[in-house]
Amino acid sequence: DADVTQTPRNRITKTGKRIMLECSQTKGHDRMYWYRQDPGLGLRLIYYSFDVKDINKGEISDGYSVSRQAQAKFSLSLESAIPNQTALYFCATSVWDTQYFGPGTRLTVL
Amino acid sequence: GENVEQHPSTLSVQEGDSAVIKCTYSDSASNYFPWYKQELGKGPQLIIDIRSNVGEKKDQRIAVTLNKTAKHFSLHITETQPEDSAVYFCAASSQGGSEKLVFGKGTKLTVNP
Repeated sequence: DADVTQTPRNRITKTGKRIMLECSQTKGHDRMYWYRQDPGLGLRLIYYSFDVKDINKGEISDGYSVSRQAQAKFSLSLESAIPNQTALYFCATSVWDTQYFGPGTRLTVL
Repeated sequence: GENVEQHPSTLSVQEGDSAVIKCTYSDSASNYFPWYKQELGKGPQLIIDIRSNVGEKKDQRIAVTLNKTAKHFSLHITETQPEDSAVYFCAASSQGGSEKLVFGKGTKLTVNP
């Protein structure tokens, strides 16, 4: 959905590097999410935020941190990347029944 | 916490046939069950959902059924078309809406022309 954008779309980095994935939305939604997708494992929730001052850990938050800079921006950081964080990362926004996903960021940690 | 199991992991059908994907959930408090379709290179997109006070919901060629007693729900696609080929995810939430969804592992559907 073009209303939810993610940058970068692809990133290759090395073990131990700090990396930030950014998400922006023009939908005006308060709720934003970060998911990780691995082959055969589906989508797993990393962090979610219901407004700028409300940030919550999801199922697999270890090794990740987030920042909600504004209603429209939600960033995911890997402080010290490791190879098993290689995955496809999705940002999403929601209003009640529907989550709207961005196009994803493919991250490779060597 | 909630656990959602999805079967099969892959499904291949001929164009025009029906496809059925099944999910089971563990938390009896779950009350919202959406289905998402993910096309290659894109993020998932909601295609249909059902709440626990409803047993069945239809939208053109797709339908979802829910059995609360057995804690399972299914996606039915009739008259499949090649453009239905995608990965489908079921999910469950006890929050009444799309907050804190727990997703199944996905089903890769291939519709052969």
